[in-house]
Amino acid sequence: DQQVKQNSPSLSVQEGRISILNCDYTNSMFDYFLWYKKYPAEGPTFLISISSIKDKNEDGRFTVFLNKSAKHLSLHIVPSQPGDSAVYFCAASSLTGNQFYFGTGTSLTVIP
Amino acid sequence: EAGVTQFPSHSVIEKGQTVTLRCDPISGHDNLYWYRRVMGKEIKFLLHFVKESKQDESGMPNNRFLAERTGGTYSTLKVQPAELEDSGVYFCASSQDLNSHEQFFGPGTRLTVL
Repeated sequence: DQQVKQNSPSLSVQEGRISILNCDYTNSMFDYFLWYKKYPAEGPTFLISISSIKDKNEDGRFTVFLNKSAKHLSLHIVPSQPGDSAVYFCAASSLTGNQFYFGTGTSLTVIP
Repeated sequence: EAGVTQFPSHSVIEKGQTVTLRCDPISGHDNLYWYRRVMGKEIKFLLHFVKESKQDESGMPNNRFLAERTGGTYSTLKVQPAELEDSGVYFCASSQDLNSHEQFFGPGTRLTVL
C-alpha cells in the first residue's frame, strides 16, 4: 500500500506564476520530508526538505509547507520559470529507518 | 567531485536471461541504496547497504534479485532469471552517514525485459 501519494500526475503553470505541488502521506511515523526534482534521463536531485518539528521551510523560490494534522505537504515555487519544468517527487522517511518512501511524481510544465 | 554513477544506462534482455547492474557511489559514502521505478509508479526502495553489510533488504521483490557490495565500494544488483515485471528504471543512491537525510541519486539504469 502506498504511504506517500501525489494525486496530480501533471500540472501546467504560466511563467512567473506560482506552482503548487501537493503530497499526502498516511504513516504518522514519518518525521522528515523531502522534495526531489527529476529531469528526463537523469536521477532525482534533492530540492528542499522539512522536518516534522517545522511547518515551513524556505529556500529561495522554493517553500515547503507541512501540515502534520492533515498529513499533507506542499511545495510552492514562486515565481515559476521554464527551467523548473521537471517531474517532482515527494518523499518521506522516519527516524527509525533510512529508506525513503516516494510518491508517484508530478510532472510540472512551466509555459513561457 | 564525481556523483553517483550507474552502468549500463540501458539494458534490453529477454525473459529468462541474467542482467547485472552496477553502481558506484560518491567516494566516502558508506550508505548505498537501490530503488526501482516501474513505469508511472512510485520510486520504490529495494535495499540499503552500510559499507559492505546489508542494513535493510525489506524491499527486495524476491530471490531472483541479488545485491552485493564487496569491499564497501561499488555495488552490483543481479537479476536472475529476469521476468517481464522486472522492467523499470533502477536507481542507486548514496549518503555519507546514517543521520544524513539527503541521498544523492545516480542517473539510473533502464531495464527492459522482453
